[in-house]
Amino acid sequence: EVQLVESGGGLVQPGGSLRLSCAASGFTFSGYNMNWVRQSPGKGLEWVSFISDSSTTIYYADSVKGRFTISRDNAKNSLYLQMNSLRDEDTAVYYCGAAFDIWGQGTMVTVSS
Amino acid sequence: QTVVTQEPSLTVSPGGTVTLTCASSTGAVTSGYYPNWFQQKPGQAPRALIYDTNNKHSWTPARFSGSLLGGKAALTLSGVQPEDEADYYCLLYYADARVFGGGTKLTVL
Repeated sequence: EVQLVESGGGLVQPGGSLRLSCAASGFTFSGYNMNWVRQSPGKGLEWVSFISDSSTTIYYADSVKGRFTISRDNAKNSLYLQMNSLRDEDTAVYYCGAAFDIWGQGTMVTVSS
Repeated sequence: QTVVTQEPSLTVSPGGTVTLTCASSTGAVTSGYYPNWFQQKPGQAPRALIYDTNNKHSWTPARFSGSLLGGKAALTLSGVQPEDEADYYCLLYYADARVFGGGTKLTVL
């Protein structure tokens, strides 16, 4: 079964850090560009970051540039998002997506004191 | 800052046809923006429907189609079913970013 499973979400204080993981199975992970997308409560989708299949190309949304770092380990079929200097407005469900075709169920990140 | 604009809400009758559009603040949307369309129902993850303007995934119902219309990307639903009630998002590719539209809430009534 083709699947993406996110983990690592939780409650963190403003200024804190969190590392999200996304485990892939059922497809050739190393052949896919990957993305992180988030959705704040009651709001629309927001693209966060992109990483190419071989990690040679990386993009970030302006809202997270300099604070978030995307990475992947093709040997472990895993995608990561290191989130530093978290702000209230980073509160959202974070989804990983394989070329926007395959989506995980998301992991909730809450930034609050 | 690039903005992608969709109709906030649309209403369609069962069996009817509706077209959702997706505009870019940078100008006319072309195939070079690789328009994608997604469906999202409450409490669920988004589901991909259309990629690269008009290509359907294996799971996309035949009643969904993508196109370019008047300088915008468009998603047309023909023969709308009650289960099509959902939020729909377009996505456009830019040089070093991807941008989602604000979404269209489609009501089937």
